[in-house]
Amino acid sequence: EVQLLESGGDLVQSGGSLRLSCATSGFTFSKFAMTWVRQAPGKGLEWVSTIYPSGEPTYYADSVKGRFTISRDNSKNTLYLQANSLRAEDTALYFCTLGWGWFDPWGQGTLVTVSS
Amino acid sequence: EIVMTQSPATLSVSPGERVTLSCRASQSVSNNLAWYQQKPGQAPRPLIYLVSARVTGIPARFSGSGSGTEFTLTISSLQSEDFAVYFCQQYDSWPRTFGQGTKLEIK
Repeated sequence: EVQLLESGGDLVQSGGSLRLSCATSGFTFSKFAMTWVRQAPGKGLEWVSTIYPSGEPTYYADSVKGRFTISRDNSKNTLYLQANSLRAEDTALYFCTLGWGWFDPWGQGTLVTVSS
Repeated sequence: EIVMTQSPATLSVSPGERVTLSCRASQSVSNNLAWYQQKPGQAPRPLIYLVSARVTGIPARFSGSGSGTEFTLTISSLQSEDFAVYFCQQYDSWPRTFGQGTKLEIK
């Protein structure tokens, strides 16, 4: 069974940084693209970033480009999202999900709250 | 960026009814269109990919159709567990984009 477990979410001040992690199991991590999707409280889904199996290419939403960095460690079966220069509008539940096109499955998310 | 627009925002329906949700793309996405279901406090669950292909384990009462810029998700006979929010998503180009969602509520 595929399992995705996000961690690293926290309350942080505006301008701060966080590193989110997604520990995976149940599939050959090094063969699959991975994606972060976020959801602000009470809002819809927003695609954030995708990374291909080898680590490249990577894609970012304009809203996070230059501030967030997606990466992966295929030896640890773990996906990361380094989030810098955080803003109030980055407050959201961040989901880790498998795929580069449509996404399946999804983790339960980790909550990032940015206080201004 | 391709903008995905879903309608209506909210739909009040009764169990057993047939319901159709709409999703429109601002430009053609070919057949690269997926649908997700999300219940409160849960992660999204994929239902449909490539417009009409059901994800493994999704009941046959869920079906998708359309092409180009106009798409629909149909639930043939609503069950109590189907009351949720539904999102469409295009994966024809970057950035990937989602519709704003349609909430199915009990009438």
